[in-house]
Amino acid sequence: DQQVKQNSPSLSVQEGRISILNCDYTNSMFDYFLWYKKYPAEGPTFLISISSIKDKNEDGRFTVFLNKSAKHLSLHIVPSQPGDSAVYFCAASLYSGGGADGLTFGKGTHLIIQP
Amino acid sequence: DAGVTQSPTHLIKTRGQQVTLRCSPKSGHDTVSWYQQALGQGPQFIFQYYEEEERQRGNFPDRFSGHQFPNYSSELNVNALLLGDSALYLCASRTATNEKLFFGSGTQLSVL
Repeated sequence: DQQVKQNSPSLSVQEGRISILNCDYTNSMFDYFLWYKKYPAEGPTFLISISSIKDKNEDGRFTVFLNKSAKHLSLHIVPSQPGDSAVYFCAASLYSGGGADGLTFGKGTHLIIQP
Repeated sequence: DAGVTQSPTHLIKTRGQQVTLRCSPKSGHDTVSWYQQALGQGPQFIFQYYEEEERQRGNFPDRFSGHQFPNYSSELNVNALLLGDSALYLCASRTATNEKLFFGSGTQLSVL
């Protein structure tokens, strides 16, 4: 039973355009969400996060949107750059108040930025 | 400032054997978690250690065990290895009050 789903295994976007990566979750108890980026032969790198009390969080070129009623979040990257080509993982957690508990990850979306 | 370091980077074992993986957290971090990432899947949470105790555990059998040392470094032990244990094992660390997890590059375990 997959509680965090990334239904697009891959996404191809032209350099300079907007990349939109989507994520759905089924557990309504999740209240903290994160996006990680992973290059081959490296561990995942934290990108951006959002608490369930917010519906948007922005950090430079990266914006995460959360729609709690739809149990859906998305990551927007604008403008997309060649270095953004990587696998992106959506993750969710129950925020314990002392830091996030074990994360539940989606299967990832491979983003390819084309010149 | 060294990040999360894991050793070894690659390991080949035979079914039924036992393996120990090691992790040093990022400087200043006191909480260590372990994840298993099978091919084509996202990382799956194994367990988390804080103050040398296992604080939370994912859906893994007790063949998977761990330890945290006073210097916050950690070990992951897997007994009676199965072919299905072949995966990338990731260690992650954070401070107890910050949700941001930093991951190491992982140990690629192959069970033959």
